[in-house]
Amino acid sequence: GEDVEQSLFLSVREGDSSVINCTYTDSSSTYLYWYKQEPGAGLQLLTYIFSNMDMKQDQRLTVLLNKKDKHLSLRIADTQTGDSAIYFCAERAETSYDKVIFGPGTSLSVIP
Amino acid sequence: GAVVSQHPSWVICKSGTSVKIECRSLDFQATTMFWYRQFPKQSLMLMATSNEGSKATYEQGVEKDKFLINHASLTLSTLTVTSAHPEDSSFYICSARLTGVHINTQYFGPGTRLTVL
Repeated sequence: GEDVEQSLFLSVREGDSSVINCTYTDSSSTYLYWYKQEPGAGLQLLTYIFSNMDMKQDQRLTVLLNKKDKHLSLRIADTQTGDSAIYFCAERAETSYDKVIFGPGTSLSVIP
Repeated sequence: GAVVSQHPSWVICKSGTSVKIECRSLDFQATTMFWYRQFPKQSLMLMATSNEGSKATYEQGVEKDKFLINHASLTLSTLTVTSAHPEDSSFYICSARLTGVHINTQYFGPGTRLTVL
């Protein structure tokens, strides 16, 4: 079945890089997403990567995909206090056109 | 672009009453919208897929008679929690799928906090 796992907590100092890891089980996943959720708010799409890519960079965000190991990571460079939030990894399988499976979320705390 | 709104942002109701939550795509048309439920410190659980002009598709374990979904137009889907009980208290989030060049990505509303007394 489809399953997405993430570590639940991460704490970093302001200015350092943050790396949030995610593993998934569905080898047919075609799109993988990172969403950010601030307290009491909905989800904000941060970035996505196609399964045929191994890296995508967008300003301070770098997504790395290891399809062989089914491992996805999100690196936030120069982490700021405003980056404190919950980050969700999500996958959409080729066989499930509409269904997106979310991981449990990683709570990122940035220490000033 | 790709803004999704929800109304209300929070609601408190008495047990046994019904509550309607609206989800609107503000700057695009969405033939498909999704309703999620999120418990505190947990991930999102897909409740149902709402298709414009047709019946919603509910996930296993979600009571369709309790959570009524209507997708009457390309920009509006509503979720009605009927005969609400305290265990229905949760954060309800909708999303709308943007088709075409944006790889069918879902864009999320800000969520609705429901508290049933």
